[in-house]
Amino acid sequence: QKEVEQNSGPLSVPEGAIASLNCTYSDRGSQSFFWYRQYSGKSPELIMSIYSNGDKEDGRFTAQLNKASQYVSLLIRDSQPSDSATYLCAVNDDYKLSFGAGTTVTVRA
Amino acid sequence: DVKVTQSSRYLVKRTGEKVFLECVQDMDHENMFWYRQDPGLGLRLIYFSYDVKMKEKGDIPEGYSVSREKKERFSLILESASTNQTSMYLCASNDEPGLNNEQFFGPGTRLTVL
Repeated sequence: QKEVEQNSGPLSVPEGAIASLNCTYSDRGSQSFFWYRQYSGKSPELIMSIYSNGDKEDGRFTAQLNKASQYVSLLIRDSQPSDSATYLCAVNDDYKLSFGAGTTVTVRA
Repeated sequence: DVKVTQSSRYLVKRTGEKVFLECVQDMDHENMFWYRQDPGLGLRLIYFSYDVKMKEKGDIPEGYSVSREKKERFSLILESASTNQTSMYLCASNDEPGLNNEQFFGPGTRLTVL
């Protein structure tokens, strides 16, 4: 199983601030990277995918990938209370995905 | 929209019972997966299937088996439930592996074994 490590959290940020989530992975050959959001009691839903080095922006979310350093990050700008959730980093592994343990984010009003 | 459904949201069983968890997807996906999710441990893969009647062990297959008789349906079987199998069970599916092998998840089944 490929190792995927996330900063353990929990992460508490004030409303309107930037939340920064980090993820490192062990397999240098990994090609696809995903960020899932999981609300309490719900199943994970995909919010971002990234395949190339650099930044990818989607609304208030920016994913950053650095394959040389084997890390991928997620920035949430202008954090809202609705962003309070657990964020899971996932890395492709042939047919499968390897998941990190998740980082719980709480956005305080 | 992809829809993955699971037979139960909540299930309570007794130690030693045989338990069946059903998962159905409606997008003709090739691959289906069963995970369990426990606090602090993230998602751990139990079994997956890349074709009808095909199955592969994941990271924690002990105590579980699976069945995939039809493309849209993937069943997880606990032959003799134990208390350490109390967990949230998530089913997922996706299409042919490639660069974008996003997985789509069902709502989950929270299983309690007493």
